[in-house]
Amino acid sequence: GENVEQHPSTLSVQEGDSAVIKCTYSDSASNYFPWYKQELGKRPQLIIDIRSNVGEKKDQRIAVTLNKTAKHFSLHITETQPEDSAVYFCAASGTGTASKLTFGTGTRLQVTL
Amino acid sequence: DSGVTQTPKHLITATGQRVTLRCSPRSGDLSVYWYQQSLDQGLQFLIQYYNGEERAKGNILERFSAQQFPDLHSELNLSSLELGDSALYFCASSVVSGGLTDTQYFGPGTRLTVL
Repeated sequence: GENVEQHPSTLSVQEGDSAVIKCTYSDSASNYFPWYKQELGKRPQLIIDIRSNVGEKKDQRIAVTLNKTAKHFSLHITETQPEDSAVYFCAASGTGTASKLTFGTGTRLQVTL
Repeated sequence: DSGVTQTPKHLITATGQRVTLRCSPRSGDLSVYWYQQSLDQGLQFLIQYYNGEERAKGNILERFSAQQFPDLHSELNLSSLELGDSALYFCASSVVSGGLTDTQYFGPGTRLTVL
């Protein structure tokens, strides 16, 4: 089955700096890669996603890049703010019966003043 | 608010007991997914239902079962509970239109504590 690895496990940046989180996946059939933000005790919230027919997607301060050949994808957050502090999860899935999400182990991002 | 609802929010029970977790998907979504989040295992897929039928199974224990009803709400039944079953249980829903993989929206979760 699919295996998703995520690095780093913790990341501390100063407010205004950029943060980058990287994930690799194992199943070449995976074609959908969402990123979720989770605050303590709350539900995972989708912040951005990318499909395998696209190499990059941007939404304001957040961007995701995908390299299908290398089977890795990354989350980039620019101009970080204290409210960006949370745990971020990457995930991968396929289509139809394989649409379940396989999650990475999470990255705890702390944005310091 | 994602539009996915889950009840109860918290559940405290004893080992050996049985509990039922309930999930109502977003309006129009036909697929429901159950995930378990524990401190040492992260977010793990348990099971998926689509329009009343089981679609995919993950690392779901035999003591656990689920179903999706005609009104599309779903229930996750956990029996013979053990201390290690303590976790956050999330339900997610998506349209699953059969082509592109649809976005999954998560409910607020049920925190299960087994004493």
